[in-house]
Amino acid sequence: DTEVTQTPKHLVMGMTNKKSLKCEQHMGHRAMYWYKQKAKKPPELMFVYSYEKLSINESVPSRFSPECPNSSLLNLHLHALQPEDSALYLCASSYGRLAGADTDTQYFGPGTRLTVL
Amino acid sequence: GNSVTQMEGPVTLSEEAFLTINCTYTATGYPSLFWYVQYPGEGLQLLLKATKADDKGSNKGFEATYRKETTSFHLEKGSVQVSDSAVYFCALSRITGGGNKLTFGTGTQLKVEL
Repeated sequence: DTEVTQTPKHLVMGMTNKKSLKCEQHMGHRAMYWYKQKAKKPPELMFVYSYEKLSINESVPSRFSPECPNSSLLNLHLHALQPEDSALYLCASSYGRLAGADTDTQYFGPGTRLTVL
Repeated sequence: GNSVTQMEGPVTLSEEAFLTINCTYTATGYPSLFWYVQYPGEGLQLLLKATKADDKGSNKGFEATYRKETTSFHLEKGSVQVSDSAVYFCALSRITGGGNKLTFGTGTQLKVEL
């Protein structure tokens, strides 16, 4: 089973709202990722968690706040977003250091379609 | 730095036509190479991968061979179907200080018509 689940599927929020995106995997993966994808563009990496610790932050604005409460769950807390933050937010997971080197394969969830009004 | 170049789309083919989507890369060392597919309104699905030179990845009739001498990983399928209509992303993977990073190409939209 290579399933990564994400909730909600769609989210509409105002610029003053606080909301959270959720991602879950039960594949024993120890690396989890958040990506942002705009229409007709490839995904852009936002954050990487390795063994529940934040290991990469690609200079993402602080209105996006990631959290990894355990090895199976990854959250993205949203606050005071801008309309330009509207996008598809993808979560991915991989074995991480267990796999070794560059052969580690990332598996993606179906995404959350976020609209900021 | 690392980069991936894909052929421009959109590509429009008739059903049962032969498909080639070109992908070349620039990277230090020997990255792993991937093709992901994204159907409308969905996330990315791993289509196939290759982890070393001369490896051939294959899945669902799609194939790609890791060519180190030409730094290429072209995607091919002998006979496309309408259901193959999607966006295809070529990507390379390298371990960095904090974890594994994928570098994607710009994506190639494929439309297959009856």
